[in-house]
Amino acid sequence: QTVVTQEPSFSVSPGGTVTLTCGLNSGSVSTAYYPTWYRQTPGQAPRILVYSTNTRSSGVPDRFSGSILGDKAALTITGAQADDECDYYCVLYMGGGIWVFGGGTKLTVL
Amino acid sequence: QVQLVESGGGVVQPGRSLRLSCAASGFTFSNYGMHWVRQAPGKGLEWVAVIWFDGSDKYYGDSVKGRFTISRDTSKNTLYLQMNSLRAEDTAVYYCARAQYSGRYFGGFDIWGQGTMVTVSS
Repeated sequence: QTVVTQEPSFSVSPGGTVTLTCGLNSGSVSTAYYPTWYRQTPGQAPRILVYSTNTRSSGVPDRFSGSILGDKAALTITGAQADDECDYYCVLYMGGGIWVFGGGTKLTVL
Repeated sequence: QVQLVESGGGVVQPGRSLRLSCAASGFTFSNYGMHWVRQAPGKGLEWVAVIWFDGSDKYYGDSVKGRFTISRDTSKNTLYLQMNSLRAEDTAVYYCARAQYSGRYFGGFDIWGQGTMVTVSS
């Protein structure tokens, strides 16, 4: 069974830089998985940040960037702000019409 | 504006059925693949199902395969999720979401509804 892995939690200082990752329990993530990143605040629907590995969605500040780092997809946030504190999810296309979400990363800004 | 509005959630007993609807507006519904994603209370997101833009193919997550059916009515701009043999572990907020690009697109989903809560309990 394919499992998409994310750090359960991460902490960053205001103004700092943090890189969240999205991996596989077996194998490497590549652009062929169309990595997509979302942020979600409590009680709200997810909001897309980055799609197809590294393309920012409309209106998303350039503090957010996506990439492949080693064998994982990555979301880097620079100049972290207080309102970046929320949950971040990645989703990968596994082929065969199947998508799988990672377990999410709870980001704390302090 | 582009919008998705889910409805049909509620409290249902284990083993019973429920049908969710997702009304789409502000875009050409028939051009886009559509997904259902759910989130159990306090848990992460789980992809549930997809239907291609033309309805030609449908795919499901392992946890719902054989019990849930995704469908769409282009004349009504509405997506559906028929949920049968419901279990306690199906309790979640159910979101519908639009594929980011038209046609047969394998990437993520850009537009989400506000979600509808399904509670499976006796």
